[in-house]
Amino acid sequence: DAGVIQSPRHEVTEMGQEVTLRCKPISGHNSLFWYRQTMMRGLELLIYFNNNVPIDDSGMPEDRFSAKMPNASFSTLKIQPSEPRDSAVYFCASSLGGLGTFGSGTRLTVV
Amino acid sequence: EDQVTQSPEALRLQEGESSSLNCSYTVSGLRGLFWYRQDPGKGPEFLFTLYSAGEEKEKERLKATLTKKESFLHITAPKPEDSATYLCAVQSSNTGKLIFGQGTTLQVKP
Repeated sequence: DAGVIQSPRHEVTEMGQEVTLRCKPISGHNSLFWYRQTMMRGLELLIYFNNNVPIDDSGMPEDRFSAKMPNASFSTLKIQPSEPRDSAVYFCASSLGGLGTFGSGTRLTVV
Repeated sequence: EDQVTQSPEALRLQEGESSSLNCSYTVSGLRGLFWYRQDPGKGPEFLFTLYSAGEEKEKERLKATLTKKESFLHITAPKPEDSATYLCAVQSSNTGKLIFGQGTTLQVKP
């Protein structure tokens, strides 16, 4: 099993640009989580899906952030427009009823 | 408010020097407390789950314990490969959410 696959691993973009982060969960897992990690705030849950349906998006910081899960094998986290304070490592995790296996993350830098 | 505080922020040990990491928490109904290990450039890797006060779990040189207010991760005779950031998280039985602490970065020198 390849684990949770995130792309890209690194993204550098200019303020105001749209950024899309991608996640392929582990096959068979029915829950998917998006987290953000920063030095200041640590690891924070942004949104999670169960059976492709968003269950709790209360952690999404602003309307600039949106997440979709069109099918069981793919999810995206979009930031539009991006701002420097969005710079962080974004993790995706998937699970089958448990806590989740994390991907290696996408390091986003907004300049 | 649900909260998790880990201490110390950073810990340097000599190989073989045992120590403990602390995780203090307040949560509206504890469903579980979890320890993760995170290596640089990687996502957190699950280590232990503890559900009730008095519970203990062990894995190689690591042992996790739980009380009603805090958890300890004891590291016995650590090796350089134990160097990592250790994260503690609690899951609220009210919201189901995982709340993470800021982590303790452990460095073990040979």
